[in-house]
Amino acid sequence: GAGVSQSPRYKVAKRGQDVALRCDPISGHVSLFWYQQALGQGPEFLTYFQNEAQLDKSGLPSDRFFAERPEGSVSTLKIQRTQQEDSAVYLCASSLMVGGSETQYFGPGTRLLVL
Amino acid sequence: GNSVTQMEGPVTLSEEAFLTINCTYTATGYPSLFWYVQYPGEGLQLLLKATKADDKGSNKGFEATYRKETTSFHLEKGSVQVSDSAVYFCALRAEGRRALTFGSGTRLQVQP
Repeated sequence: GAGVSQSPRYKVAKRGQDVALRCDPISGHVSLFWYQQALGQGPEFLTYFQNEAQLDKSGLPSDRFFAERPEGSVSTLKIQRTQQEDSAVYLCASSLMVGGSETQYFGPGTRLLVL
Repeated sequence: GNSVTQMEGPVTLSEEAFLTINCTYTATGYPSLFWYVQYPGEGLQLLLKATKADDKGSNKGFEATYRKETTSFHLEKGSVQVSDSAVYFCALRAEGRRALTFGSGTRLQVQP
């Protein structure tokens, strides 16, 4: 079956531009997560949704970062006024929590380069 | 806070060698522990997991045992193949949280 998909796969932005990154989770998965992975590092948590509710946004690095999931399916991560330090791979994951055990399935990521 | 420390790479082995990648963690309570793998050009894939102390996760010849007393979850494989070349990430999910906390990753290179 189809996995988590993300678009675009690559994005080049000039410093100061706004960008929007899209995530399509696995059908039926109620939970959706965003992570940021800097070069040579492990992913770091940004935020997560359960259906359309954003239940934890403690990892968002600044108020320039905003995520939404208005219908409880597709999610968009928006970064306003991009800075060079925003350059990273942005990963989306979804999960179907079953009986307290959960596996997060990751998409291929969007590689963002801010010039 | 919660953290994961794993050995730095790259780890370079010959085919059929024994593999160990060390992973230790800091977390309160009883976290769930994971190994994810990232093959070249692909996304993160769950390799194995363990949700309570002394559990052993295993998959594709890899295994790891959740050791509460040493706060470790070392990844092992008895005989590696060239196709195992990838970056391996150890991760935890703390009790009461949904977010994963990852280590910095260990690159494995297996030579024929």
